[in-house]
Amino acid sequence: DAGVIQSPRHEVTEMGQEVTLRCKPISGHDYLFWYRQTMMRGLELLIYFNNNVPIDDSGMPEDRFSAKMPNASFSTLKIQPSEPRDSAVYFCASSDRGSEQFFGPGTRLTVL
Amino acid sequence: GESVGLHLPTLSVQEGDNSIINCAYSNSASDYFIWYKQESGKGPQFIIDIRSNMDKRQGQRVTVLLNKTVKHLSLQIAATQPGDSAVYFCAENIGGGADGLTFGKGTHLIIQP
Repeated sequence: DAGVIQSPRHEVTEMGQEVTLRCKPISGHDYLFWYRQTMMRGLELLIYFNNNVPIDDSGMPEDRFSAKMPNASFSTLKIQPSEPRDSAVYFCASSDRGSEQFFGPGTRLTVL
Repeated sequence: GESVGLHLPTLSVQEGDNSIINCAYSNSASDYFIWYKQESGKGPQFIIDIRSNMDKRQGQRVTVLLNKTVKHLSLQIAATQPGDSAVYFCAENIGGGADGLTFGKGTHLIIQP
């Protein structure tokens, strides 16, 4: 298995632009998590899905952030409009029935 | 609010020595604990986990100890190698793993030759 796949690996955009981050979980995993990592706040859970249904989105910073999981093999995290304070590394992770979470390589987002 | 935290931000050890990384947690309802290793430019990598009904669990060169009385978690790495250099995070979960994880701030382990 290729593991959790995220794209793009790096994204540089200007303030106000829309950003879409993509994730393909490990095949067969029924849980998908989005995390954000910054130096100041460390690793924070944003939202997670179980069987494609959002379960807890209390970590999503504000309405500019949205996440979808249209099917078991794909999820997106969208920021619109983006702001410089959104600059961070965004990780997607997946797990099988709530066991060990496997993390992807992350997307490094820079908002200028 | 309750959170997971680490005692030391940086730990420097000699190659071949044993390393001990500590973690304090404050949520007494937590029942699942995990240690992750993160190398530069990569995502966190699972090392070992332990559930609250255990106080010790061993893996290959790693041991996790859980002291529920004082809400303390430690990761012991035997015979530390250069490849062990990374940031180590403890994480906690309520519900045995089927929720998002709450991560500590991390400890940077540095291996001296």
